[in-house]
Amino acid sequence: NAGVTQTPKFQVLKTGQSMTLQCAQDMNHEYMSWYRQDPGMGLRLIHYSVGAGITDQGEVPNGYNVSRSTTEDFPLRLLSAAPSQTSVYFCASSGYNEQFFGPGTRLTVL
Amino acid sequence: QQQVKQSPQSLIVQKGGISIINCAYENTAFDYFPWYQQFPGKGPALLIAIRPDVSEKKEGRFTISFNKSAKQFSLHIMDSQPGDSATYFCAASMDPSGTYKYIFGTGTRLKVLA
Repeated sequence: NAGVTQTPKFQVLKTGQSMTLQCAQDMNHEYMSWYRQDPGMGLRLIHYSVGAGITDQGEVPNGYNVSRSTTEDFPLRLLSAAPSQTSVYFCASSGYNEQFFGPGTRLTVL
Repeated sequence: QQQVKQSPQSLIVQKGGISIINCAYENTAFDYFPWYQQFPGKGPALLIAIRPDVSEKKEGRFTISFNKSAKQFSLHIMDSQPGDSATYFCAASMDPSGTYKYIFGTGTRLKVLA
């Protein structure tokens, strides 16, 4: 039982490049979400999904896309990376009374 | 739009002392209030949580105090230990099952001196 896994752990991009942050969970949870963590800003919700095929925007969705084709996977796509997207990204999977977070991806955009 | 205000931003406590972190909210529709603990390089993990129908919840050295009329809640860490050094986040959710759509505070970095 791996819980929530994220890949990669670290990534450096140049402005304008695209990439996908991967997230997978093995707890059969319907609800999954993506957060970004910046110093002094806490955790801010980017996008979330309440089940396969259903996604919605959170607090800071601009510049990010998501899809949910299976219960297990919830990838986050950056279409054209910008320096403002330099952050630590966390994926979370939710059960009753608790969100389980992955180990995070540290992304730097030059 | 910050709906959960957390203070202090950082806190230094001597070993054996009491650490107190405070949070305030405005939206009375919030129905679930968890605290998360995060160690460097790791994702946050649930520490303790409370619902507004009780004023206090204790789990070991960790206690949440909840004041519904003041719209405030706080985390107390008794007998603080160096291993408690971490960043703590309060959060709030309108989902009574505590499953989704959390709003997080900005975090408190706690350092417990040996």
